[in-house]
Amino acid sequence: GNSVTQMEGPVTLSEEAFLTINCTYTATGYPSLFWYVQYPGEGLQLLLKATKADDKGSNKGFEATYRKETTSFHLEKGSVQVSDSAVYFCALSGSARQLTFGSGTQLTVLP
Amino acid sequence: DVKVTQSSRYLVKRTGEKVFLECVQDMDHENMFWYRQDPGLGLRLIYFSYDVKMKEKGDIPEGYSVSREKKERFSLILESASTNQTSMYLCASSFSASWVGEQYFGPGTRLTVT
Repeated sequence: GNSVTQMEGPVTLSEEAFLTINCTYTATGYPSLFWYVQYPGEGLQLLLKATKADDKGSNKGFEATYRKETTSFHLEKGSVQVSDSAVYFCALSGSARQLTFGSGTQLTVLP
Repeated sequence: DVKVTQSSRYLVKRTGEKVFLECVQDMDHENMFWYRQDPGLGLRLIYFSYDVKMKEKGDIPEGYSVSREKKERFSLILESASTNQTSMYLCASSFSASWVGEQYFGPGTRLTVT
């Protein structure tokens, strides 16, 4: 079956530091890949997506590239802000028409 | 903007009680989903629905049932609440059966069963 593995948190960074959150997946066929973000006290919201190999999703300064050869979709941001503190979830959508989520990574950015 | 609302943000129930969690979306989405969120486990799918009166089991349906009598409303029912059902419950919706990746989430209901 499908599965998503995220780097374990929590991750603590200083403001303006570089962020990488690793995500690898196992899936049959050609899944679509997503990053969702959950700010404190809120539900999840879609951050970015990629639907085929070598696609790069980007939003709010975050980027992730769909790498089929390494089955990865790592999230990156060049300079994090305090307001980026949240839980980040990697997810995939395969042929079962469901989303499979990773376990989430808590990010805290200190001023 | 799509809005998904959940009936309660916090709920405390006793073991053995019947519990109803309500979810409403206002954008005529076909698909609706119920997840539970637990630390270290991410989101796990309980049930989902592609249409009115239609439901499908997710990964962890045991101890839960659902109802979708109207397109905009999807209810999660705990027939006899147990302490291991203490969790955060998230409802989500998406536009069509052919595209489930972009889901819109409600704020969640934190349920405590004592």
